[in-house]
Amino acid sequence: GDSVTQMEGPVTLSEEAFLTINCTYTATGYPSLFWYVQYPGEGLQLLLKATKADDKGSNKGFEATYRKETTSFHLEKGSVQVSDSAVYFCALSDKNYGQNFVFGPGTRLSVLP
Amino acid sequence: SAVISQKPSRDICQRGTSLTIQCQVDSQVTMMFWYRQQPGQSLTLIATANQGSEATYESGFVIDKFPISRPNLTFSTLTVSNMSPEDSSIYLCSVGKLSTDTQYFGPGTRLTVL
Repeated sequence: GDSVTQMEGPVTLSEEAFLTINCTYTATGYPSLFWYVQYPGEGLQLLLKATKADDKGSNKGFEATYRKETTSFHLEKGSVQVSDSAVYFCALSDKNYGQNFVFGPGTRLSVLP
Repeated sequence: SAVISQKPSRDICQRGTSLTIQCQVDSQVTMMFWYRQQPGQSLTLIATANQGSEATYESGFVIDKFPISRPNLTFSTLTVSNMSPEDSSIYLCSVGKLSTDTQYFGPGTRLTVL
């Protein structure tokens, strides 16, 4: 079945450092790919998405590019802030099965001042 | 997107009791889902709440333990029955529309069972 793998956390960075969180997926169809963020004590918020190969999703300084050849959707940000401290979830939606979502295990990011 | 609210936001319950969680959306949506997030873990889908019919449960989840109602296109409830400490989790409601493949999440209900 479909699956999502993320780099293990926790990830600890200093403010203004460059962030990469790796995400790879396995899917039989042509899924849409998502990054969700969960701030402490809150639910999940959609951060960005991409629906087809070579699409780039971006929001709040975060970017991720849908790479079909490497089945990857890595999250990047050029300069992190303390307020970016959260858990980040990579996910896919297999459009062949409507709203069937598969989530990765999540990566906890801590940004130190 | 959609604005989703959940009640209660958190609760502490005794073993053997039941808790009903409400999910309210500010607009009509096609799909409503219930997830469980155990401490430090990712999300696990419990069931899809179907309007006007029985919910569709994922493997490992049963209606007797997690009865779900969805009386209309903007509201659903999840009951956690006969609770044990292992049920301590965050329970999340999410919604989607057939016209889009994105799900939007509520703020979650943090449940602790003693």
